[in-house]
Amino acid sequence: QKEVEQNSGPLSVPEGAIASLNCTYSDRGSQSFFWYRQYSGKSPELIMFIYSNGDKEDGRFTAQLNKASQYVSLLIRDSQPSDSATYLCAVKARYSTLTFGKGTMLLVSP
Amino acid sequence: DTGVSQDPRHKITKRGQNVTFRCDPISEHNRLYWYRQTLGQGPEFLTYFQNEAQLEKSRLLSDRFSAERPKGSFSTLEIQRTEQGDSAMYLCASSQIWTEDSESYEQYFGPGTRLTVT
Repeated sequence: QKEVEQNSGPLSVPEGAIASLNCTYSDRGSQSFFWYRQYSGKSPELIMFIYSNGDKEDGRFTAQLNKASQYVSLLIRDSQPSDSATYLCAVKARYSTLTFGKGTMLLVSP
Repeated sequence: DTGVSQDPRHKITKRGQNVTFRCDPISEHNRLYWYRQTLGQGPEFLTYFQNEAQLEKSRLLSDRFSAERPKGSFSTLEIQRTEQGDSAMYLCASSQIWTEDSESYEQYFGPGTRLTVT
């Protein structure tokens, strides 16, 4: 059974700090990796995706992928209180559908 | 691009009643997905369509659940004889995928329909 594991948190960081969110996955055939942000009571919003090993940067967000270690992470630089949300990691293998983790709650304090 | 829309946004029903939800995907997207999410969990895949063809159904999708996408545009998800365990957020997402070798698998979610079964 395909599994995606995330620490449920909450991860608490002060405003302006770097938040580091981690995700591990069990299916070695996984090819595509996604980070969604979900505010309480709202639907998931896609913020980053990464398909190749290494780093991918988009504004304050950096996604990091290490397929050998089956590990993907999301770094949020200069964290803001508005970044407080649950961050969902999702993984997709070829000919398969998305498998989501349970999410990590991030709290950014002013 | 108006995004994925879902209707209704909230539904309260009594146990045993039937409910139907609608999803309108992003207009140029050929794939449409249904997920269910309960508190503290990530979205769980239910089923997906490519154009009008239903290509996969999760074992979570009991016989009481049925989904359609008759013209390859909007989709409906019906739950018959609702049970309290059906209470959840039902999410629809869409994507544009040409082939499984495509690297573009991003799925975009609608606002969801929150179902409460009393």
